Amino acid sequence: DAKTTQPPSMDCAEGRAANLPCNHSTISGNEYVYWYRQIHSQGPQYIIHGLKNNETNEMASLIITEDRKSSTLILPHATLRDTAVYYCIVRVNPNTGNQFYFGTGTSLTVIP
Amino acid sequence: GAGVSQSPRYKVAKRGQDVALRCDPISGHVSLFWYQQALGQGPEFLTYFQNEAQLDKSGLPSDRFFAERPEGSVSTLKIQRTQQEDSAVYLCASSLGLGRYGYTFGSGTRLTVV
Repeated sequence: DAKTTQPPSMDCAEGRAANLPCNHSTISGNEYVYWYRQIHSQGPQYIIHGLKNNETNEMASLIITEDRKSSTLILPHATLRDTAVYYCIVRVNPNTGNQFYFGTGTSLTVIP
Repeated sequence: GAGVSQSPRYKVAKRGQDVALRCDPISGHVSLFWYQQALGQGPEFLTYFQNEAQLDKSGLPSDRFFAERPEGSVSTLKIQRTQQEDSAVYLCASSLGLGRYGYTFGSGTRLTVV
């Protein structure tokens, strides 16, 4: 699986949009981009995933660049409960049950 | 159940002791993963089951680590002769199918070897 690069930490004001970047310059055509987050003392939580089109769900939006070498997770209105470590993961063919490689993620702190 | 349940939540073991960590996945979930998470690091893959079959154990760090899922539901991760470097949070995750829409993780077992 392709490696990802994320900033180690970010701050965001409560109520503002949080934009979390991820570089995956070696991604190949059959690799999906997944985002998980981990709140302190809990297991990781699935947020969203995509292949090449932008995706949106009730939690967040995922913007993938046209060359697929980077992506941004957007939390449109960050709350204090969004403080967590966010992991960007690329993974081949999700239909084969391959494991996720988490890396060290971005620690997001939402500030009141 | 409503989620993935892991027990015990905390375990303190003396060096050299054997431990068994239990994972109750969501009922009917086919796929089950074990991950190890050291302090300040992301989770690292240990092993993967599809029903009762252990399809990938490439992440197990040594032959002291053993996992089983004999009836395709509950899984146990066993660590023999624990060492201090085994101290970590052990996470279990499950998925109904092969995980295209992600996995549901438990809250983990925090193992401390003293």
